[in-house]
Amino acid sequence: SQTIHQWPATLVQPVGSPLSLECTVEGTSNPNLYWYRQAAGRGLQLLFYSVGIGQISSEVPQNLSASRPQDRQFILSSKKLLLSDSGFYLCAWRVTGTGVGYTFGSGTRLTVV
Amino acid sequence: GENVEQHPSTLSVQEGDSAVIKCTYSDSASNYFPWYKQELGKRPQLIIDIRSNVGEKKDQRIAVTLNKTAKHFSLHITETQPEDSAVYFCAATGNQFYFGTGTSLTVIP
Repeated sequence: SQTIHQWPATLVQPVGSPLSLECTVEGTSNPNLYWYRQAAGRGLQLLFYSVGIGQISSEVPQNLSASRPQDRQFILSSKKLLLSDSGFYLCAWRVTGTGVGYTFGSGTRLTVV
Repeated sequence: GENVEQHPSTLSVQEGDSAVIKCTYSDSASNYFPWYKQELGKRPQLIIDIRSNVGEKKDQRIAVTLNKTAKHFSLHITETQPEDSAVYFCAATGNQFYFGTGTSLTVIP
């Protein structure tokens, strides 16, 4: 069966520090991968999605970046965090094609101080 | 692109009553409509979905209806229980997912 792993679960980082969040999927090949951010009490904002290795699409311009070095690995990064980067970050995957739902990772709660 | 609107943003019901959450979408090419439930501090989880060739789907106390002509779909929860309290998100999808802004449901015991 397929599983998605996301870490760390919580993170407190100072302003200006770098960020690296990792997400891996097991039990499937060539998944579509996604990074979402959820501010406190708000909806789901799509940040990046990837349909294959090295293929990254950005939905919202910001100081974050994403990379997909391997088929089932998706990394969210920042060189210098801002206070506004605080939030709940969710990785998600689904099989290629339409008509199938997302499966979300357990999320990373990032607090920038 | 797709635009998904969700109403209401907050909803309080008495235990045992029904709850209805409504969403509208703009892209007639959208063909898959999932609903997610997110409990506080946890990940969203798929609770029910419907494809564009179906008008209604039911799973125990949860049902979803779809009106393709009017481009709206709804989540119906009957006999609500306190554990139904959560934030619910609708989504409309073609090649990408577009989420509604969420409905915070509180079931009052």
